[in-house]
Amino acid sequence: ETGVTQSPTHLIKTRGQQVTLRCSSQSGHNTVSWYQQALGQGPQFIFQYYREEENGRGNFPPRFSGLQFPNYSSELNVNALELDDSALYLCASSLGGTGMKTQYFGPGTRLLVL
Amino acid sequence: RKEVEQDPGPFNVPEGATVAFNCTYSNSASQSFFWYRQDCRKEPKLLMSVYSSGNEDGRFTAQLNRASQYISLLIRDSKLSDSATYLCAFRSSSNTGKLIFGQGTTLQVKP
Repeated sequence: ETGVTQSPTHLIKTRGQQVTLRCSSQSGHNTVSWYQQALGQGPQFIFQYYREEENGRGNFPPRFSGLQFPNYSSELNVNALELDDSALYLCASSLGGTGMKTQYFGPGTRLLVL
Repeated sequence: RKEVEQDPGPFNVPEGATVAFNCTYSNSASQSFFWYRQDCRKEPKLLMSVYSSGNEDGRFTAQLNRASQYISLLIRDSKLSDSATYLCAFRSSSNTGKLIFGQGTTLQVKP
C-alpha cells in the first residue's frame, strides 16, 4: 500500500452539478498531483500542488480547481460537470522540491456523470 | 505526433514466454522515464524507473534509447500474475514533476 488515500471511492453525479474529491498524501510528502484517467487511456495530468500552491497545470479548463491544506492533503473541485468528466480521478503524492521524486498513486475516485 | 505512443495490444502470450513492449516519446527534453503497472480497476503502481544505462529487476528489464526516443520493457518467463496494463510515463525538464503517460499496453498471460 502507498499510504495515499482518496475519498469517495465512487460517485454518481448529473450534468451541471459540482463535485469535490479528496486526497490524503503519504506521510512526509508535500506534493500532490491530480490526474484524470478515461476508460482505455493513460492518466492525464490536471495540476499539481506543492506546499499549498498550484505548481503546474495540464490542459484542463478553469472549472477544474484545487486546494492543498497545511497537512498537505488536497481537494479537486469540478464545477458544471459534463458527461466527458466521467473518469477515474487519481491523486499521487511525492516529496517535491528540486529533484522531483517518485509519485505514488492513491486508489482513485470513479466519477460517473449522467 | 502524440507526446507518448504505446501499442495498446492486447499481447496474448503463454506462460513462460518472453514479451517486450516499446514506448516512443516525442519530447527530446524528457528526463525521467518510468514503467507503471495497472491492474483492472486499480491505480497505477510503479514497476520500475528507467535509467540511461538500462536496469533490471528480476524478470523485468527496462532500457532507454535516447537517440531513437523510446523506452522498452522486457518481461522474461511470464507468469499469469503479470497480466495487467503496462503504462510508460516520462517527466520533462520542468519543475512541476508532471508525468506524461502513454495509453498503456495490455498483457494477457495464458496458462
